[in-house]
Parts: sequence; C-alpha cells; structure tokens
Amino acid sequence: AQKITQTQPGMFVQEKEAVTLDCTYDTSDPSYGLFWYKQPSSGEMIFLIYQGSYDQQNATEGRYSLNFQKARKSANLVISASQLGDSAMYFCAMREGPNTGNQFYFGTGTSLTVIP
Amino acid sequence: DTAVSQTPKYLVTQMGNDKSIKCEQNLGHDTMYWYKQDSKKFLKIMFSYNNKELIINETVPNRFSPKSPDKAHLNLHINSLELGDSAVYFCASSQSEVGRTEAFFGQGTRLTVV
Repeated sequence: AQKITQTQPGMFVQEKEAVTLDCTYDTSDPSYGLFWYKQPSSGEMIFLIYQGSYDQQNATEGRYSLNFQKARKSANLVISASQLGDSAMYFCAMREGPNTGNQFYFGTGTSLTVIP
Repeated sequence: DTAVSQTPKYLVTQMGNDKSIKCEQNLGHDTMYWYKQDSKKFLKIMFSYNNKELIINETVPNRFSPKSPDKAHLNLHINSLELGDSAVYFCASSQSEVGRTEAFFGQGTRLTVV
C-alpha cells in the first residue's frame, strides 16, 4: 500500500484565491510526522510546514496551513491568497518512527499553477 | 553557508562510464539520504545512513554504491552507467528523532546518460 497518496496531479487556482492540495497517508505507527515541500521549476526542495501526529492544533506557517484530520488520515495543505510564485510542484511526505530507518515517504506530487 | 551541498549540479556522461556525486551537510545532522527523482517527479528513497551506518538500501542496482566517510558526508558512486540512470539525484539530511525534524535537501544533481 502507498504510504502517501496525492490524488491531484495538477491544480489551477486564480491569483489571490485559496487552494487546497490533498494528501492522505497510511501508517499504523502512533508517532509520525507529516511534511509538505515545494519544488519550483528551478528544482530545489523547499520545506513548507510540519504536523506531528500528537499535535492538537493544525499547523500554520504564514499563508500555509495544514488541515490535519487524524481519523481520516489526511493532511491537506491550504495555501491562502495564492501568488504567481506559488506555481510549483508540491509534495506531501511522512516520517514514521525509527523502525522504518528514518526515511521520508513522498507522494507523487501535485503541480499547482496560479493563473493571473 | 549552504546547509546541504552536492556536487556537481549537472553531469552528462556516456553509457558505461563511472561517476560520483558528492554530498556534504553542515547542519550536524546524524542521518543522510539519497533520493532519485525520475522524469515524472517521483521521489524514491535509495539509501539512508545514520551515523555513517547504512540503514536503508532499497532495491537499487548494485552499480550504485554509497559511501559515508563521516557523519557530514554521503557520496554516491555509480558504475557502468546506463541510459535509465538519467534522473535528478537529491542528497538530504535530517536528525533521526521523529518530530519537527524536516529533511534538508541539496540542490540536486541532474544526471544525463547519453
């Protein structure tokens, strides 16, 4: 089974609008972390936001927020007030406990295009 | 100061050649990784090292050999390069404990085998 599933290969959003990028995950480990990364066309991987499995509140970092629904095993990224510079690939990732070798599991990514 | 630096950024080489990609991190992290990103942008773990010890060795051809001389370095050597090895290779590092310990990535090495 896939550890991380991103079902939206591509998304479009109007500038200044909000957009939600979907991510579901699969784990039986009670302790895990969820991460979102941005990869612009220049290729670098930029960390955006983190949510811990025990965190009671949804994480927020500036215009980024994470809609964490633990029972549904979803960790959707919400980008508010989209900007042209938000056009990029977005990856959801999960990290479990040490038994899995500390690795980060990545989803297949969502390509976001912001339309002026 | 670059946190995770990998060199070279671009590598074009002929089939059958041997090449190396170097990676260094100055963050004091104890875990380092190599990921391969294919043309569809999928990121696949290749290797994970913790304190210079190999922790993960995914199903990767044995033509790929990682070497970690110390905690701050994880190099990737590839023998007998094949066309299918063309991809972007990312080095990354993190702390081992679960928590807000995101992975920091190098800039990537775009390998093209001709």
